[in-house]
Amino acid sequence: KAGVTQTPRYLIKTRGQQVTLSCSPISGHRSVSWYQQTPGQGLQFLFEYFSETQRNKGNFPGRFSGRQFSNSRSEMNVSTLELGDSALYLCASSLVGDPDTGELFFGEGSRLTVL
Amino acid sequence: AQSVTQPDIHITVSEGASLELRCNYSYGATPYLFWYVQSPGQGLQLLLKYFSGDTLVQGIKGFEAEFKRSQSSFNLRKPSVHWSDAAEYFCAVVEKTSYDKVIFGPGTSLSVIP
Repeated sequence: KAGVTQTPRYLIKTRGQQVTLSCSPISGHRSVSWYQQTPGQGLQFLFEYFSETQRNKGNFPGRFSGRQFSNSRSEMNVSTLELGDSALYLCASSLVGDPDTGELFFGEGSRLTVL
Repeated sequence: AQSVTQPDIHITVSEGASLELRCNYSYGATPYLFWYVQSPGQGLQLLLKYFSGDTLVQGIKGFEAEFKRSQSSFNLRKPSVHWSDAAEYFCAVVEKTSYDKVIFGPGTSLSVIP
């Protein structure tokens, strides 16, 4: 079974631009979560989607948005990029409900550098 | 809101030595607890999890963790560390709101001396 695939793996943008990151979950997984990882803040929860609906959202400004498609693939978008948005963006997919609660399968991440 | 603390930012051990990584959580009810590992340039991988039952849980790669309710702790242990264990280790808890959300601790970076 293929793992979680994130594209692109690396990208460089300039301030003010926007970026879209893509995540393909493991087949059969309908929940997709996004995290931002930085050296200073660690792993910060962005949002979680299930069956095309955003169920949970972290404390990020409205510039951060996401969506999920009917095939469970997800995208996240960051508009008006700031230097502080430079980070590793991790996507994780999962099954829902016990005993799978909390068991996340992560992709390798998309490393965004904002210049 | 639930939270997770990992008191040690960085730990260095010699290969073959034992390892214990500390994790404390704040949660009113019985928590769902996890340990994840992140190797350089990789995503996170689940090592083990605790929901209920036996407080000593076994995971992959020879790791185990013990849930101690009285101390609000879920420490990760390994009797003999291998050089390949050098990585970042994250403790996590599920925040049980309307829908489950996984909250991660700040992480502990492990270095292994040959």
